[in-house]
Amino acid sequence: GAGVSQSPRYKVAKRGQDVALRCDPISGHVSLFWYQQALGQGPEFLTYFQNEAQLDKSGLPSDRFFAERPEGSVSTLKIQRTQQEDSAVYLCASSLGGLAGELFFGEGSRLTVL
Amino acid sequence: GQNIDQPTEMTATEGAIVQINCTYQTSGFNGLFWYQQHAGEAPTFLSYNVLDGLEEKGRFSSFLSRSKGYSYLLLKELQMKDSASYLCAVRVVSGGSYIPTFGRGTSLIVHP
Repeated sequence: GAGVSQSPRYKVAKRGQDVALRCDPISGHVSLFWYQQALGQGPEFLTYFQNEAQLDKSGLPSDRFFAERPEGSVSTLKIQRTQQEDSAVYLCASSLGGLAGELFFGEGSRLTVL
Repeated sequence: GQNIDQPTEMTATEGAIVQINCTYQTSGFNGLFWYQQHAGEAPTFLSYNVLDGLEEKGRFSSFLSRSKGYSYLLLKELQMKDSASYLCAVRVVSGGSYIPTFGRGTSLIVHP
């Protein structure tokens, strides 16, 4: 497919479990963003990659959150020791980069922590 | 940091015109985007303004005033399918990175 693909679409975790969310961006897109979206809110910035380099991780809420993009394409967002407040939709978006503005979003991964 | 403000909810009648406002306070401004998000779906791009003025695209138009920190999205000839959340996003330049920051979104309800 030509769009941004995220998996899993839905994840239920028990409190304390580790989870990994995957994002497969559009081929050739340099920039990759992760956002967290709570119900009824706008997307909150988590982290940004330019190719394999993580240039901004200022939005990661705690050191339990970790993201990587080792080969400059697929990215993984990992959350360790999940807490109930981590329940949200995690959106991945990619763009051509630089001043090319439009973000292309994936469908998101909905995480529910029990 | 950035401060982006937009109304939480608006209602309008099918066939009418609605204007959704967005105000922002930021440094390093480098463009303003509008996205549409239907419930349970991904945001989709509507418009982009980097210079002052009006950008028109079919039934949707977007306006920007950088000096006032103000934008609006104008939707004409409303249709039921326009019921969605409309997200204002400001892009800022920080250390060579271009990061879009989103407002909380405006939920638009179109009724017959």
